[in-house]
Amino acid sequence: EAGVAQSPRYKIIEKRQSVAFWCNPISGHATLYWYQQILGQGPKLLIQFQNNGVVDDSQLPKDRFSAERLKGVDSTLKIQPAKLEDSAVYLCASSTYPRTSGSPAGELFFGEGSRLTVL
Amino acid sequence: QQQVKQSPQSLIVQKGGISIINCAYENTAFDYFPWYQQFPGKGPALLIAIRPDVSEKKEGRFTISFNKSAKQFSLHIMDSQPGDSATYFCAAPQWSSASKIIFGSGTRLSIRP
Repeated sequence: EAGVAQSPRYKIIEKRQSVAFWCNPISGHATLYWYQQILGQGPKLLIQFQNNGVVDDSQLPKDRFSAERLKGVDSTLKIQPAKLEDSAVYLCASSTYPRTSGSPAGELFFGEGSRLTVL
Repeated sequence: QQQVKQSPQSLIVQKGGISIINCAYENTAFDYFPWYQQFPGKGPALLIAIRPDVSEKKEGRFTISFNKSAKQFSLHIMDSQPGDSATYFCAAPQWSSASKIIFGSGTRLSIRP
């Protein structure tokens, strides 16, 4: 079974530029998450989709971040304009929720992440 | 928003020793507490999880102990090995949503040979 795919793995941009990250979840996984992981910290949830609908985006800085999940499969996360504090690893994860057994949320399967450096 | 407080921030253990990482949570309507393991350059991966209908769960060298009254749970790694060197995150569901998983700040574990 293929895992969660993310691209690009690394991106370096100047502040005020824009960037987009792409995620392809595990086939059949209805729920998709984007997390931001700043160096030395735990992952912080930015947005959660179930199929192509947004479940939670309360922590997404909507003045500069946007995300979409077309057709309930792939997802893109965009930052425009980027700030220095956006330097982080952006992790995509997927799960079978709500079709889970044994646990409320199910296991989250993470991609390897996209490392963003804003100069 | 649900907070998950994790300690210590970093931990150094001799090979063969016991590694212990602690977590405290606030409130949750969904009793499910996973631990994730992350190696450098990789995404986190589920290590072990507990549903508090039991106070302890063991899988190989890894054990979760759960204290519901204290709202605390901990990860014990027995016979710690250099390959266990990684960052460990505890997590818990958000109060309002079973599928919204909130992570602790992480513990960087180093096992000395």
